[in-house]
Amino acid sequence: DTEVTQTPKHLVMGMTNKKSLKCEQHMGHRAMYWYKQKAKKPPELMFVYSYEKLSINESVPSRFSPECPNSSLLNLHLHALQPEDSALYLCASSRGQGNEQFFGPGTRLTVL
Amino acid sequence: EDKVVQSPLSLVVHEGDTVTLNCSYEVTNFRSLLWYKQEKKAPTFLFMLTSSGIEKKSGRLSSILDKKELSSILNITATQTGDSAIYLCAVDQAGTALIFGKGTTLSVSS
Repeated sequence: DTEVTQTPKHLVMGMTNKKSLKCEQHMGHRAMYWYKQKAKKPPELMFVYSYEKLSINESVPSRFSPECPNSSLLNLHLHALQPEDSALYLCASSRGQGNEQFFGPGTRLTVL
Repeated sequence: EDKVVQSPLSLVVHEGDTVTLNCSYEVTNFRSLLWYKQEKKAPTFLFMLTSSGIEKKSGRLSSILDKKELSSILNITATQTGDSAIYLCAVDQAGTALIFGKGTTLSVSS
């Protein structure tokens, strides 16, 4: 298995909802990442997990809560989001930090 | 402030043309430079460059890093309509974060 998968592909949620994004990889990679990408902009790093421990949090608001239950899985829990949080959320993984990152197809999130 | 600058921001060419995309960077603790191609969804990995002057090649695509000039180029020869995409340059800073440029949007017309 040589890909990163993400579910769901699309998500529409209200500002009071709680939802989760899921990312999975079975390449044995030990670093996993969450990025946010707005239209016509490059991806912006949100979080980095290395060996299942949070190593980087790029000052992301607490309404985004990452979780790494095991080395293959990365979740992003969403609560009380704002309309400006609507974006493509990309997950990536790499053998370790500093190796090339491989991206999943993303979750297109719309907050109403 | 760390930054990655790509040029041009957009480019329109005819099938069969050769294009050169540029990426320059000012990043502390540089570790490597990566090129990605993004169509409608996720960026797909093209090249990772760590050493200056060594060309990496994959089919019609090639790339080279110049650490003295703090820059890299991505060449695409004999362009095809399927090459139409956004090409992203990113710099790995100390093995921690990728800092992306704004991308070059390439449109190849038939």
